[in-house]
Amino acid sequence: GAVVSQHPSRVICKSGTSVKIECRSLDFQATTMFWYRQFPKQSLMLMATSNEGSKATYEQGVEKDKFLINHASLTLSTLTVTSAHPEDSSFYICSAPRTSRHYNEQFFGPGTRLTVL
Amino acid sequence: RKEVEQDPGPFNVPEGATVAFNCTYSNSASQSFFWYRQDCRKEPKLLMSVYSSGNEDGRFTAQLNRASQYISLLIRDSKLSDSATYLCVLNTGTASKLTFGTGTRLQVTL
Repeated sequence: GAVVSQHPSRVICKSGTSVKIECRSLDFQATTMFWYRQFPKQSLMLMATSNEGSKATYEQGVEKDKFLINHASLTLSTLTVTSAHPEDSSFYICSAPRTSRHYNEQFFGPGTRLTVL
Repeated sequence: RKEVEQDPGPFNVPEGATVAFNCTYSNSASQSFFWYRQDCRKEPKLLMSVYSSGNEDGRFTAQLNRASQYISLLIRDSKLSDSATYLCVLNTGTASKLTFGTGTRLQVTL
């Protein structure tokens, strides 16, 4: 089946550091990828839609200058958390849709757990 | 009102029991409906799509009631391995964007 990878799986960093997370679709091309954030005991919240060849679309309340998204190729999107602070500590998950027997089935990466000290 | 509402649980059931989860949604324009399963500290994985006619996959049955804006998931003969959080998920047809409920936690015990 389709696989989406994320790297790194876990990051612990100091406040003020920028952190880059990569999301790759391994056996299919994805012109669109999605970035989610999940705080403990809460649902996944869509942060932004990453579009290959154009700017990302951010959800309301998500600062585009803080969460930089670059969809460098048809198989790679990166999310950079700039000047991370403790309140940015969360589980970040990417997904990529692929048409299959299910309408626009989303394949999720394994997630990146970010802890900002 | 939240777009997707679920009872967070936890539902504690013995092995072999039948358990049902419900989910209500507020956007009548929602087009596609899914149940995802999420294990602790892992990514969500698609369990099944939900159709108006109802659909079954082994021990799992999903139902959609568009008039009441309500989705259900029934799990028969629960296994220990069914312990997880079950997420009700919608797509309103906008570029594959998904909206997630907060999930219902299921704990199956011996």
